[in-house]
Amino acid sequence: SQQGEEDPQALSIQEGENATMNCSYKTSINNLQWYRQNSGRGLVHLILIRSNEREKHSGRLRVTLDTSKKSSSLLITASRAADTASYFCATGGNNRLAFGKGNQVVVIP
Amino acid sequence: NAGVTQTPKFRVLKTGQSMTLLCAQDMNHEYMYWYRQDPGMGLRLIHYSVGEGTTAKGEVPDGYNVSRLKKQNFLLGLESAAPSQTSVYFCASSVTIPGDNEQFFGPGTRLTVL
Repeated sequence: SQQGEEDPQALSIQEGENATMNCSYKTSINNLQWYRQNSGRGLVHLILIRSNEREKHSGRLRVTLDTSKKSSSLLITASRAADTASYFCATGGNNRLAFGKGNQVVVIP
Repeated sequence: NAGVTQTPKFRVLKTGQSMTLLCAQDMNHEYMYWYRQDPGMGLRLIHYSVGEGTTAKGEVPDGYNVSRLKKQNFLLGLESAAPSQTSVYFCASSVTIPGDNEQFFGPGTRLTVL
């Protein structure tokens, strides 16, 4: 089954810096999504990029998708303390999403 | 709109006990899902439903049963709880095929099996 895998696993940055996370997957996909999970909460959808798109922006988020390398990256610009969370990529296909193990980001004020 | 709600929020069971987790959504979504989240494992799909009256197995279905008698509700049952089922359980829903749409998640149920 499809499965995203984020890299690196944990990231600690200063407020105002940019944070970049990567995700790789193994099979063909319809789209790739990124979710955020704050401690003790459910996941919240951030952005969806379709397989025919290469880059997408939403506010301070920038997502790229390289289907030839089966990889995606999530960039958070000008990070804030409130961005401290775990970030998951998920690949979409058939009737389900396959989630990666998550990327923990800590933004130090 | 409440979105996706889960009941209960916390539960402690003894090995062999049974329980049902309730998920409800008020967005008229066709698709609903149950996941479990364990440290370092990400989210794993237990069962899902593509519409009222339908259910299907996900990645880790053993030890769980589900029912979708009403479109807005998706129940997850543990007939005989085991310590390996200690986890955080999340319910989610989506309008249509998740490959085309985002999933909306509930706040989670933290289950401990002693």
